Amino acid sequence: GAVVSQHPSWVICKSGTSVKIECRSLDFQATTMFWYRQFPKQSLMLMATSNEGSKATYEQGVEKDKFLINHASLTLSTLTVTSAHPEDSSFYICSASNGNTEAFFGQGTRLTVV
Amino acid sequence: TQLLEQSPQFLSIQEGENLTVYCNSSSVFSSLQWYRQEPGEGPVLLVTVVTGGEVKKLKRLTFQFGDARKDSSLHITAAQPGDTGLYLCAGAGGDMRFGAGTRLTVKP
Repeated sequence: GAVVSQHPSWVICKSGTSVKIECRSLDFQATTMFWYRQFPKQSLMLMATSNEGSKATYEQGVEKDKFLINHASLTLSTLTVTSAHPEDSSFYICSASNGNTEAFFGQGTRLTVV
Repeated sequence: TQLLEQSPQFLSIQEGENLTVYCNSSSVFSSLQWYRQEPGEGPVLLVTVVTGGEVKKLKRLTFQFGDARKDSSLHITAAQPGDTGLYLCAGAGGDMRFGAGTRLTVKP
């Protein structure tokens, strides 16, 4: 399958700081990228959908000013968690779609806010 | 919003047993994907089903897409401890939304 690289794999940050997570499609052009959040032992919760060159579409209940998403190119999307707080600690996962029926996932980023 | 319901949510079985996981929706999907996720990692695509009534086999795993393309099932034959993980279905229809997942534990 296609390769999606997510970086960093894990990050620890202080409360009040911002953290940026990158999602790259390595061998295909991703017309659409998705960002998910996953709590322990639960499924993936879609946070937002982004199309290259346009504003992301956020799911209900997800603060767009807190979770900034940028999809500046067909191979890169970033998620910035601004003014992070301990309750933002979670596993964040991106996926990328090439416009066909399948999406491929990054390895995930475990964020811990202390 | 296209919602997917997966059942059961948790399943614990002994090695060698068979099991079936279901994914249902009231919406029609152009395709449906099954993923498997291990702790601390991203989901890995197992299969995509596209045609109503389609059956795909992946070793001991059999996937079926409902005739109306609203539901799907995953059947595992002679489960092994290595099958342990979170199984997720996702429907393609503009966005990728997941079912709640089935957390499978296969005990040796």
